[in-house]
Amino acid sequence: AQSVTQPDIHITVSEGASLELRCNYSYGATPYLFWYVQSPGQGLQLLLKYFSGDTLVQGIKGFEAEFKRSQSSFNLRKPSVHWSDAAEYFCAVRRATDSWGKLQFGAGTQVVVTP
Amino acid sequence: NAGVTQTPKFRVLKTGQSMTLLCAQDMNHEYMYWYRQDPGMGLRLIHYSVGEGTTAKGEVPDGYNVSRLKKQNFLLGLESAAPSQTSVYFCASSYLGQSAGANVLTFGAGSRLTVL
Repeated sequence: AQSVTQPDIHITVSEGASLELRCNYSYGATPYLFWYVQSPGQGLQLLLKYFSGDTLVQGIKGFEAEFKRSQSSFNLRKPSVHWSDAAEYFCAVRRATDSWGKLQFGAGTQVVVTP
Repeated sequence: NAGVTQTPKFRVLKTGQSMTLLCAQDMNHEYMYWYRQDPGMGLRLIHYSVGEGTTAKGEVPDGYNVSRLKKQNFLLGLESAAPSQTSVYFCASSYLGQSAGANVLTFGAGSRLTVL
């Protein structure tokens, strides 16, 4: 069965420290990959996406993600976190051949930023 | 540009009551989706629509109905609400293609539903 796994439910990081959020997927072929962020009480905002090409993609708010085909992973990184990065982060996957654009989401990782 | 608007934002129902959530988008998107968000489970697709007058079941469709009578609106109905339907509901829209903005879901702010 197809699945999206975010192994870390909760991460605490100090302001100014680096952050890495993990995402693994189980799909038959390379899918389209996304990271979304959800601030408290808000909807989801797209951080970045990978469809093809360069495996290191840059997003908004200083985030980047690297697609590793051999590991079926799409990990999100930020070199230096800000207090405003405290939020819940979702990895999402869409089969490239899906004509309806349906996304499957991971369970999310809650990020807490301490002073 | 409003994007995706959901109404109402909050609602409390008693078991067995019915209600409809409205999603409206002003981006002329063909595709619209309803997700529910529950703690520890991420977002799960309830129903979706690939155009006016067409709908399809997602991952967790039971207990919900939808309609897409106009391209810009996608309604989610609960005919007989149950406590298990307590959740935050998100509507999203998108279009498919080759342009930079294609294939990306734009989400509404969510509708929090509590069923007592």
